[in-house]
Amino acid sequence: GAGVSQSPSNKVTEKGKDVELRCDPISGHTALYWYRQRLGQGLEFLIYFQGNSAPDKSGLPSDRFSAERTGESVSTLTIQRTQQEDSAVYLCASSLGAGSYNEQFFGPGTRLTVL
Amino acid sequence: RKEVEQDPGPFNVPEGATVAFNCTYSNSASQSFFWYRQDCRKEPKLLMSVYSSGNEDGRFTAQLNRASQYISLLIRDSKLSDSATYLCVVSRRDDKIIFGKGTRLHILP
Repeated sequence: GAGVSQSPSNKVTEKGKDVELRCDPISGHTALYWYRQRLGQGLEFLIYFQGNSAPDKSGLPSDRFSAERTGESVSTLTIQRTQQEDSAVYLCASSLGAGSYNEQFFGPGTRLTVL
Repeated sequence: RKEVEQDPGPFNVPEGATVAFNCTYSNSASQSFFWYRQDCRKEPKLLMSVYSSGNEDGRFTAQLNRASQYISLLIRDSKLSDSATYLCVVSRRDDKIIFGKGTRLHILP
């Protein structure tokens, strides 16, 4: 089963705490995306990594959000000083990235609840 | 203007009917197009790619109109299991992938 995996699957935290979410993409996929999806809403783009290029951070909602990716492997999304409005499902996806065929494969998501 | 726009719906359609969704995109340099399906509380999954010549997969037909910058999805003989949110997805030349907000479909028994 070489799909995209994410951990933890659920995270409950208190307002003001920092959280770290992890994504393991499919091996060989150079592109990696983070999205946020609030209940009943569409996907909200957060950040995009493509190979060794500088990441596209244009979707990060505030400076409390940051993400790192080690080479073409695991990525972590960090949210500092969490707020209640950060409660959502955080989805990670990876794709081959190069060329015109860019099917995205999604992980199951991390459901974050900020109390 | 959003880069990818869809009617959010919901579309409430009786079982067995035909339903069609459109999606418009603003970047004329977009190069690849897809429809994804997202079930409630699940991650999105690829339904089908969309080719310039149009393509069909069973009850599903996808069309691309580059001149008017829209893509469409047609579902024939709809089933209860088709109830989901359908996401229009566009891939740009820089390989960035843009998702629409989705169209909700409810198939009624």
